[in-house]
Amino acid sequence: QVQLVQSGAEVKKPGASVKVSCKASGYTFTSYGISWVRQAPGQGLEWMGWISAYNGNTNYAQKLQGRVTMTTDTSTSTAYMELRSLRSDDTAVYYCARAPVVNDAFDIWGQGTMVTVSS
Amino acid sequence: EIVMTQSPATLSVSPGERATLSCRASQSVSSNLAWYQQKPGQAPRLLIYGASTRATGIPARFSGSGSGTEFTLTISSLQSEDFAVYYCQQYNNWRTTFGQGTKVEIK
Repeated sequence: QVQLVQSGAEVKKPGASVKVSCKASGYTFTSYGISWVRQAPGQGLEWMGWISAYNGNTNYAQKLQGRVTMTTDTSTSTAYMELRSLRSDDTAVYYCARAPVVNDAFDIWGQGTMVTVSS
Repeated sequence: EIVMTQSPATLSVSPGERATLSCRASQSVSSNLAWYQQKPGQAPRLLIYGASTRATGIPARFSGSGSGTEFTLTISSLQSEDFAVYYCQQYNNWRTTFGQGTKVEIK
């Protein structure tokens, strides 16, 4: 079946970086893009950006420009999201989600990865 | 940035009753509007896209309507598994944004 499986929970110190993976299966990876969405504890959903698995084109949310990098490895059908210079307000569950193009609904979601930023 | 405003923040409904959730966009998003359901500890699930098209496997009791700036999600007869938080999302441009969510709770 179509699914996205994410890497496990992370605990990081302020100023560090985190890299979350999202492995796709059950569909042709390069026919879709992957968006990343985060959710702080008890809060709503915040879109972080999107990457095309076809050509690697990216679109990032303005507030994260310069701190986030999204990449893909087509040989393993895996997408990655790296966030640098972590702050306490980056503590959140991070989700990957499938979207055919950058402006589209997200039909398949990963299970989420909890990232805790704490000294 | 297009701001999405959902109302009410919390909706108390008895099982079997109808629930109506609203979502308003700060500018027109045409029909580029999706609805998601999220239960505690779970990822969101796509319910509706294109403002009114049910996603695969979504029961017919869920329906969406609207275009432009005003949208509605209706759950015709609430089942126990429908108590959750619901989010709308506009994807009219690449800077997609979500509403703050409506929690549907048991009355």
